[in-house]
Amino acid sequence: AQKVTQAQTEISVVEKEDVTLDCVYETRDTTYYLFWYKQPPSGELVFLIRRNSFDEQNEISGRYSWNFQKSTSSFNFTITASQVVDSAVYFCALRNGNKLVFGAGTILRVKS
Amino acid sequence: DAGVTQSPTHLIKTRGQQVTLRCSPKSGHDTVSWYQQALGQGPQFIFQYYEEEERQRGNFPDRFSGHQFPNYSSELNVNALLLGDSALYLCASSMDWQETQYFGPGTRLLVL
Repeated sequence: AQKVTQAQTEISVVEKEDVTLDCVYETRDTTYYLFWYKQPPSGELVFLIRRNSFDEQNEISGRYSWNFQKSTSSFNFTITASQVVDSAVYFCALRNGNKLVFGAGTILRVKS
Repeated sequence: DAGVTQSPTHLIKTRGQQVTLRCSPKSGHDTVSWYQQALGQGPQFIFQYYEEEERQRGNFPDRFSGHQFPNYSSELNVNALLLGDSALYLCASSMDWQETQYFGPGTRLLVL
């Protein structure tokens, strides 16, 4: 069965702190895709990154970075120097066939 | 370049009624997926449409049905509404089933 676990329900940080959001997944597939989406209060899911199972290189995009480790089935997301605008719910997802299987999400609150 | 659009933004219905939600995909996208997101949870896959046919379905009853039109837009219909159908309904489009899904702003449905 495909499953995504985001153990952190809610994280609160002060602006400029670094924060890491954890994601652990389960799959029997040898080829799979992982995603991160951001959901601000408006409700729209904003795509952040897609990573396939053959590419274990870490990726950095501005203040965002992702650490993919197949050995531990984890795909963690780090925000460096957090800002108030980063406050949102963040979802990790695994593609299973045609559909995305989402974790329960992590609420990130960044205080000024 | 317009993103995924959904209508209406909000909707209030009573138990037993029927509802139709609409989605227009991003330009160049031909695949539409629908998700239900209950409060405080991650999105759950309802079904996906490609070439006007339902390609995959999640664990939702037959009260949930859909349609895709030749212009790739899609409708989600829910019959015999229950209180538990109250949720944010998200539409996502992609270039095909393997590509990244981009989400619309959602329709918030409240069933009284």
